Amino acid sequence: EVQLVQSGAEVKKPGESLKISCKASGYTFTSHYIGWVRQMPGKGLEWMGIIYPGDSDTRYSPSFRAQVTISADMSINTAYLQWSSLKASDTAMYYCVRQVGIAIGGTNLDYWGQGTLVTVSS
Amino acid sequence: QSALTQPASVSGSLGQSITISCTGTSSDVGAYDYVSWYQQHPAKAPKLLIFDVRNRPSGVSYRFSGSKSGNTASLTISGLQVEDEADYYCSSYTSRSALVFGIGTKVTVL
Repeated sequence: EVQLVQSGAEVKKPGESLKISCKASGYTFTSHYIGWVRQMPGKGLEWMGIIYPGDSDTRYSPSFRAQVTISADMSINTAYLQWSSLKASDTAMYYCVRQVGIAIGGTNLDYWGQGTLVTVSS
Repeated sequence: QSALTQPASVSGSLGQSITISCTGTSSDVGAYDYVSWYQQHPAKAPKLLIFDVRNRPSGVSYRFSGSKSGNTASLTISGLQVEDEADYYCSSYTSRSALVFGIGTKVTVL
């Protein structure tokens, strides 16, 4: 059974750094893209980007390219989403997703993690 | 990349059919048969309902169906049930090898 288990909720101050994680199981981690989707409070879904753990190919939405870093450690089947300097506007739920499909990068998100709530407040 | 356009809300009575539209451009919805639909209940993670315009993953009810014409894709829910009350999002693969979501549609069962 495919599972994506995310790290717990975080409360941070503006300017602090943060790295949240997503541990994958039940499939070959290096053979599928894995990525992140943001949902701000009361708002819709936003695709942030993905990484292919097999070769570290990473793709970002233009909206997030300079804001976050996506990485993966294939030795422990875990993907990460990282900020170097958080802002209040980063407050949101972040979902880890497996992206599959025949096009480059994949075309749909077939498995979702439970979400990690990040709250940034002074 | 702008979000795909969806109606903010759609409602229907128990047992009725409803259709949610998702309009994009010739760089996303119109360019590829890679439109997906997701269902999200309150405080839950989204769930994949339809992929590649019209395909249902194993376990998804036959009452959900998808189609596409030009730059507009559609999700039809037939035999509306109470548990269908949720938010629905479309997404499309884009010419930049990325995904873009719709703004979301709230479905209310009357």
